[in-house]
Amino acid sequence: QVQLTESGPGLVHPSETLSLTCTVSGFSLTGYSVYWVRQPSGKGLEWMGRMRYNGDTSYNSALKSRLSISRDTSKNQVFLKMNSLQTDDTGTYYCTRAANYYSSYTPGDYWGQGVMVTVSS
Amino acid sequence: DIVMTQTPSSQAVSAGEKVTMSCKSSQSLLYSENKKNYLAWYQQKPGQSPKLLISWASTRESGVPDRFIGSGSGTDFTLTISSVQAEDLAVYYCEQYYDTPNTFGAGTKLELK
Repeated sequence: QVQLTESGPGLVHPSETLSLTCTVSGFSLTGYSVYWVRQPSGKGLEWMGRMRYNGDTSYNSALKSRLSISRDTSKNQVFLKMNSLQTDDTGTYYCTRAANYYSSYTPGDYWGQGVMVTVSS
Repeated sequence: DIVMTQTPSSQAVSAGEKVTMSCKSSQSLLYSENKKNYLAWYQQKPGQSPKLLISWASTRESGVPDRFIGSGSGTDFTLTISSVQAEDLAVYYCEQYYDTPNTFGAGTKLELK
């Protein structure tokens, strides 16, 4: 069955870099795109970026200067790195699979449980 | 970026009631080549990840009860719950995936009256 699991540090200090991993199973990263979405506590959803099935990436322009998404297909993992973290980057970070095979212009159908990240000194 | 505006921000409902909520986009989400609207609806319950309910504006995902009905085209979309159940109390988000970046509305929270 399809599963996505986010992992990473729960606490990051201001100005430091966040590194998160999304480990997937039940599907191939060379067939499905994966998105990163975050949610500040008690607030709405923000699409951060995507790793396309072909290895291309796209980013939210608001985060582009700080954000990098990469993958290791042999380990079934997608990575998120974001630098210069501030307190308003606190929230839950999700990875989600694009619903359609060989497509990026689709919603996310399977979501991870999310990882809570707190930015604090 | 495409701006998604959801109304109302919250709504108090009773079990069995019919509920409608709106989502408007700042530009058309209808792709002329395939006549599809690139609009999704999600349900998020407290402490849970979002759950995809409807894609392409009106296509229910497998296992989603038929009381959830998506409609609309272009820039105006509606999610209707024909007879609200207690388990439907949640926040509902619309998302456009027509253009990068995908963008979400701020959500409509269904609460118990």
